[in-house]
Amino acid sequence: AQSVTQLDSQVPVFEEAPVELRCNYSSSVSVYLFWYVQYPNQGLQLLLKYLSGSTLVESINGFEAEFNKSQTSFHLRKPSVHISDTAEYFCAVTSGNQGGKLIFGQGTELSVKP
Amino acid sequence: NAGVMQNPRHLVRRRGQEARLRCSPMKGHSHVYWYRQLPEEGLKFMVYLQKENIIDESGMPKERFSAEFPKEGPSILRIQQVVRGDSAAYFCASSPDQGGWNTQYFGPGTRLTVL
Repeated sequence: AQSVTQLDSQVPVFEEAPVELRCNYSSSVSVYLFWYVQYPNQGLQLLLKYLSGSTLVESINGFEAEFNKSQTSFHLRKPSVHISDTAEYFCAVTSGNQGGKLIFGQGTELSVKP
Repeated sequence: NAGVMQNPRHLVRRRGQEARLRCSPMKGHSHVYWYRQLPEEGLKFMVYLQKENIIDESGMPKERFSAEFPKEGPSILRIQQVVRGDSAAYFCASSPDQGGWNTQYFGPGTRLTVL
């Protein structure tokens, strides 16, 4: 069975500081990994994904995540956060089978303060 | 290309009533997933459907919940005889028929409140 652990439920940071949101997964099969962002009272937006190839993936708004197979991690990072990055971030995993359901972590609430 | 559409966005029901939640996938997507987000919790998978077929319903409660995705029209998640514990946000996601089937795109959700 697959599972996802997001190690921090809340991460408060100051604007322009770097941030890392941690995600570890467990799976006995190959996986695809995702980060989704949820702004208050909205749906989930896909932030970035790892399917294959380069282990470092980037989003259009400055976030990046690195797939580390040996440590079974997919941590999300941003070198300098903005107030507008305040949201809840979910890490998710699915197997390589078509139609595989997403298994989500509990979420990390990122709060960026001025 | 419009995103995943869900309606209603907010739904209030009294205990014992029925709730019907609708989801229209993105154009070119015939795979639909339903997830539930309870307060202070992450999202939990409920059911995966393709047109006219339920593929995986391992996350559906055994009673009162059902889902369908007819040949024509949106996918429907139906909750009969709602109870207060059904209050949650219900999200629908869809994925493409070809190329990119492993990526799911989410709708805005339906927030169900049971009084």
